[in-house]
Amino acid sequence: GAVVSQHPSRVICKSGTSVKIECRSLDFQATTMFWYRQFPKQSLMLMATSNEGSKATYEQGVEKDKFLINHASLTLSTLTVTSAHPEDSSFYICSAPSVSGTQNTEAFFGQGTRLTVV
Amino acid sequence: AQSVSQHNHHVILSEAASLELGCNYSYGGTVNLFWYVQYPGQHLQLLLKYFSGDPLVKGIKGFEAEFIKSKFSFNLRKPSVQWSDTAEYFCAVKSKAAGNKLTFGGGTRVLVKP
Repeated sequence: GAVVSQHPSRVICKSGTSVKIECRSLDFQATTMFWYRQFPKQSLMLMATSNEGSKATYEQGVEKDKFLINHASLTLSTLTVTSAHPEDSSFYICSAPSVSGTQNTEAFFGQGTRLTVV
Repeated sequence: AQSVSQHNHHVILSEAASLELGCNYSYGGTVNLFWYVQYPGQHLQLLLKYFSGDPLVKGIKGFEAEFIKSKFSFNLRKPSVQWSDTAEYFCAVKSKAAGNKLTFGGGTRVLVKP
């Protein structure tokens, strides 16, 4: 099946710094990438949808200036957590549909990034 | 808006017992339905999916799920679980009307005792 690679898998950063998370589709082109956040013992919550070559679409309540998303190519999307605070500590997961723009596709997930802000 | 509800947050059972996890969704239009599994320390993996056709879907590792449109349900089943089935299970729904975004249920943690 298709592979989505996400890096880093774990990162610890100081409050006030920024952290970049990369998500790559290794064997297919992903014009769309979804970014999720998973709090401990909770489900995945969609944060935003990134589209190659255009601005990301953010879900209600997600600060676009804090969570910067860039989808510069068909195989790479990045999420930057700016001025991170301890409450941003979470598990971030990216996902890409195997075929963009159609309904009957499954999504492939990255390995996830556990962010700890100290 | 679409939403997904999983009835059980935690399930504990012994090996060889049968497992059934409930999942109900709210959207009334055409949907795609999925069950994902997350083993400890690993990423999400697709167990099975329903797009159309036979409402009884067979997945990997002996899992199956039945889509009952009238009940808006997509329950996951396995006749005989193994210790290795200990994981968290997520039901998810996707619809064209919702921009093909996956909406996840709250997840069910399954612990299989050896």
